[in-house]
Amino acid sequence: EAGVAQSPRYKIIEKRQSVAFWCNPISGHATLYWYQQILGQGPKLLIQFQNNGVVDDSQLPKDRFSAERLKGVDSTLKIQPAKLEDSAVYLCASSLFGLGGGTEAFFGQGTRLTVV
Amino acid sequence: AQSVTQLDSQVPVFEEAPVELRCNYSSSVSVYLFWYVQYPNQGLQLLLKYLSGSTLVKGINGFEAEFNKSQTSFHLRKPSVHISDTAEYFCAVSDDDKIIFGKGTRLHILP
Repeated sequence: EAGVAQSPRYKIIEKRQSVAFWCNPISGHATLYWYQQILGQGPKLLIQFQNNGVVDDSQLPKDRFSAERLKGVDSTLKIQPAKLEDSAVYLCASSLFGLGGGTEAFFGQGTRLTVV
Repeated sequence: AQSVTQLDSQVPVFEEAPVELRCNYSSSVSVYLFWYVQYPNQGLQLLLKYLSGSTLVKGINGFEAEFNKSQTSFHLRKPSVHISDTAEYFCAVSDDDKIIFGKGTRLHILP
């Protein structure tokens, strides 16, 4: 079974530029998550999709971050414009359903973003 | 609101020695508890999870964890570590909506 695919693996941009990350979840997984992991911290949930609808985006900085999952499969996360503090690893994860009942989330390898 | 506290940011341990990584949580409802491992430049991989039932949970790579409701703890243990266990370990708590991660514990294996 193929895992969660993310691209690119690494990205370096200058502040105020824009960047986009792509995620393809495990086939058949209804729920998709984007996490931000700043160095030395645990992953922080940015946005959670159930199929193509947003379940939780309470911690997404909506003035600069946006995400979509148009067909309920793959997803893109965009930052525009980027700030230095956006430097982090962006992890995508998926689960078969939501997290109810302790459903496991499967993670991709992440995209390491460096803003200079 | 839920929260997770991992008491140690780094734990050095000699190869073949036992190790315990500590995790405490707080939640007002019943929760599910997880330990994930992150190897360098990789995503997170599930080590084990507690949903209900037996408080001692066995996971992959020889790890186990014990759920202690009275102490609100879910400590991770391994009786004998190997150099390949070098990684960052994250404790996490989940209700039906979201999963909250601790800050992580970096395990250093000393030769």
